[in-house]
Amino acid sequence: DTGVSQNPRHKITKRGQNVTFRCDPISEHNRLYWYRQTLGQGPEFLTYFQNEAQLEKSRLLSDRFSAERPKGSFSTLEIQRTEQGDSAMYLCASSLGQGERQPQHFGDGTRLSIL
Amino acid sequence: GNSVTQMEGPVTLSEEAFLTINCTYTATGYPSLFWYVQYPGEGLQLLLKATKADDKGSNKGFEATYRKETTSFHLEKGSVQVSDSAVYFCALSDRSGTYKYIFGTGTRLKVLA
Repeated sequence: DTGVSQNPRHKITKRGQNVTFRCDPISEHNRLYWYRQTLGQGPEFLTYFQNEAQLEKSRLLSDRFSAERPKGSFSTLEIQRTEQGDSAMYLCASSLGQGERQPQHFGDGTRLSIL
Repeated sequence: GNSVTQMEGPVTLSEEAFLTINCTYTATGYPSLFWYVQYPGEGLQLLLKATKADDKGSNKGFEATYRKETTSFHLEKGSVQVSDSAVYFCALSDRSGTYKYIFGTGTRLKVLA
């Protein structure tokens, strides 16, 4: 079963460092989403790709955050100059096709801890 | 804007008890509605969905009915098991074009043997 895969599972880094996370969606899925989940909260939308095009970015995505999806396959999320407030679980999800009825499939997330 | 409101947890039940987790939403139009479950250290797994009014989603003994008149999508199960202990999230699919999800804050369920 090739579900959504995220790496690394855990990342511990010092404040001010840069970090990059990777998401491999389900192979035929053209839609890819990044969410951020803090302790005790539901996931919050960060950004959306349709194939290789980044079509929406949340206001949560400050200029220290950048995401890419080259060739419409895997995606990376980079955080520059990390801050304490960036500590969270970063979730990637993918879905297939058009319309809202196709559910999103989530990876297990990358947990980021800033020292 | 769109939003989802869930009952606060934690909810603690004995095995075989009846479960209800309330979820109400605010949205433009008629979004699709979802329940996801999250086990410790894992991502979210789709539990069930409903895409139009009066639809009933069901899976693994869980059910939820899309009620347009009360803008609700309450999750129910007739007899919970210890293995159902997890955090449950209600979500709607935004119809802005990206179909991103708007989630509730989650409800933690603990089932005691």
